[in-house]
Amino acid sequence: AQKVTQAQTEISVVEKEDVTLDCVYETRDTTYYLFWYKQPPSGELVFLIRRNSFDEQNEISGRYSWNFQKSTSSFNFTITASQVVDSAVYFCALSEQDGGSNYKLTFGKGTLLTVNP
Amino acid sequence: DAGVIQSPRHEVTEMGQEVTLRCKPISGHDYLFWYRQTMMRGLELLIYFNNNVPIDDSGMPEDRFSAKMPNASFSTLKIQPSEPRDSAVYFCASRSGLRGSTDTQYFGPGTRLTVL
Repeated sequence: AQKVTQAQTEISVVEKEDVTLDCVYETRDTTYYLFWYKQPPSGELVFLIRRNSFDEQNEISGRYSWNFQKSTSSFNFTITASQVVDSAVYFCALSEQDGGSNYKLTFGKGTLLTVNP
Repeated sequence: DAGVIQSPRHEVTEMGQEVTLRCKPISGHDYLFWYRQTMMRGLELLIYFNNNVPIDDSGMPEDRFSAKMPNASFSTLKIQPSEPRDSAVYFCASRSGLRGSTDTQYFGPGTRLTVL
């Protein structure tokens, strides 16, 4: 069975600090996908990034960057120069094929990030 | 393009009442998912549809819950009778099934259900 662990339940930083959110996953499949979603205080779930298991290139998007390491089964998310608007719950998710044509998502418990001014 | 649309955004009802949650997926998406989010259990998949057909309902907690998708642009999740432990945020998500597309699920804003 697949599993996603976000060991950090809550993180609090001061604005402009860098912060890394950890995500460790377990899967027996060779083909899978990893995701990060953001849930701001307003409650919606916002897609941030998708990575497939064959692409270990790190990715940078503005102040956001992601480090995917298959050797340690980790897909960590770093926010550089954090801002108050980054305050949210961040979810890491793993997607595996369910035997049919669909990939089912398993979510971690989430990390609550609070950025203080 | 419009995202996934859910209604109502908030629902407060009394125990024993019937509750119906509604979802309109992104146009052209042929997979639709219903999730429930609670503090205790996090995000759980309840059921998903492909081309309007229910594929996996193993996450539906009990017979009080039912879901339908009468057409490609509309789905409902019904709870009858509702109980206080059903209080949660219910999300609908959709994704494209086209070959070569990503399997990214896009979520609606959620319905916050409170059962008194």
